[in-house]
Amino acid sequence: NAGVTQTPKFQVLKTGQSMTLQCAQDMNHNSMYWYRQDPGMGLRLIYYSASEGTTDKGEVPNGYNVSRLNKREFSLRLESAAPSQTSVYFCASSLVVPQETQYFGPGTRLLVL
Amino acid sequence: AQKVTQAQTEISVVEKEDVTLDCVYETRDTTYYLFWYKQPPSGELVFLIRRNSFDEQNEISGRYSWNFQKSTSSFNFTITASQVVDSAVYFCALSDGNNRLAFGKGNQVVVIP
Repeated sequence: NAGVTQTPKFQVLKTGQSMTLQCAQDMNHNSMYWYRQDPGMGLRLIYYSASEGTTDKGEVPNGYNVSRLNKREFSLRLESAAPSQTSVYFCASSLVVPQETQYFGPGTRLLVL
Repeated sequence: AQKVTQAQTEISVVEKEDVTLDCVYETRDTTYYLFWYKQPPSGELVFLIRRNSFDEQNEISGRYSWNFQKSTSSFNFTITASQVVDSAVYFCALSDGNNRLAFGKGNQVVVIP
């Protein structure tokens, strides 16, 4: 039982390049989330998916797109990376019951040059 | 809008001292949940506790304890007899009705041996 997994662990991109961050969970959770963590800022919600087939914007969605591929997988895409997107990205999942605990993946460290 | 304030950015203590982390929150919801997460130097986010707004009982788990006071909108966290392994960043978070988490900026705890 791996919990929440994320790939890759680390990525360097040049400005303008695109990439997709992958997230998968094996806890049979319905809801999934993407956060970014910047120094001194805590974590901020980018997008979330309350259940399979739905996605909604969070606090900082600009520059990102998401896909809820199936119940297990939720990907985050940067179409044209910018240096301001240099951050650590965390995926999380939870049961659909309101305000259930979110469990986090190990994070992806992204550097945009 | 949900807001969480963790005023102390970095706290240094000598091993075996107690340390208390303050968390003050703002919400218009009558039902809400509060969380604490630990982020050790390895970077992952570890869930510590979840508390709902109707349960003001204090909680103790080993050397960790939490004091929830609705009247002052605070959910403070105390580590008793700190150890070097407690060195980490600790985040307080508040969830809304859609289970979106608003995080504080975190408290960096440094335990000096």
